Amino acid sequence: AQKITQTQPGMFVQEKEAVTLDCTYDTSDQSYGLFWYKQPSSGEMIFLIYQGSYDEQNATEGRYSLNFQKARKSANLVISASQLGDSAMYFCAMRESYDKVIFGPGTSLSVIP
Amino acid sequence: ETGVTQSPTHLIKTRGQQVTLRCSSQSGHNTVSWYQQALGQGPQFIFQYYREEENGRGNFPPRFSGLQFPNYSSELNVNALELDDSALYLCASSLGSAVLAKNIQYFGAGTRLSVL
Repeated sequence: AQKITQTQPGMFVQEKEAVTLDCTYDTSDQSYGLFWYKQPSSGEMIFLIYQGSYDEQNATEGRYSLNFQKARKSANLVISASQLGDSAMYFCAMRESYDKVIFGPGTSLSVIP
Repeated sequence: ETGVTQSPTHLIKTRGQQVTLRCSSQSGHNTVSWYQQALGQGPQFIFQYYREEENGRGNFPPRFSGLQFPNYSSELNVNALELDDSALYLCASSLGSAVLAKNIQYFGAGTRLSVL
């Protein structure tokens, strides 16, 4: 069964606008962690933001914020003030146990000048 | 830059051959995880090493094996290569294997393996 779902294979956003990338997850664990990674065409996975299942506040890291809705099992990434350098693949991921991380299929984001 | 380095960056092998990929973890990190990323897909967990012991394995056959050394660097070995093994292989390092600490994995740039 798919543990991480990213329903948007591709997204476009105008430069300087905000964009939301969707992620839903499936787990029966009470304690888990959620991550977003960015993968440019060079291949390296770049850590963006983390949300713990017990964190009461939504995580923020600079222009990135995570809209965490625990009851709906969603962890959407919001990028504000998009830049051309934000064009990349974005992966939502979850860790349930012993540090095994499960990745979603990814969303390709293209920022238009 | 994460401080996680992988070598080589690219590799071409033929079916049936064996390959060894290498990973140097970030300074201070004692856990290395390996992932396979096929074209157009998310990374799939292969296995993890914590303090030189295998500490979890994904759904990969035994011809995928690994090692972790006392300096916490790691190798991924794949025997009897198949065409479907063509992928980007990513290594990630982290500190500790504590269950659900805020334990972020930092990735290297990967090794792109092509099997002909």
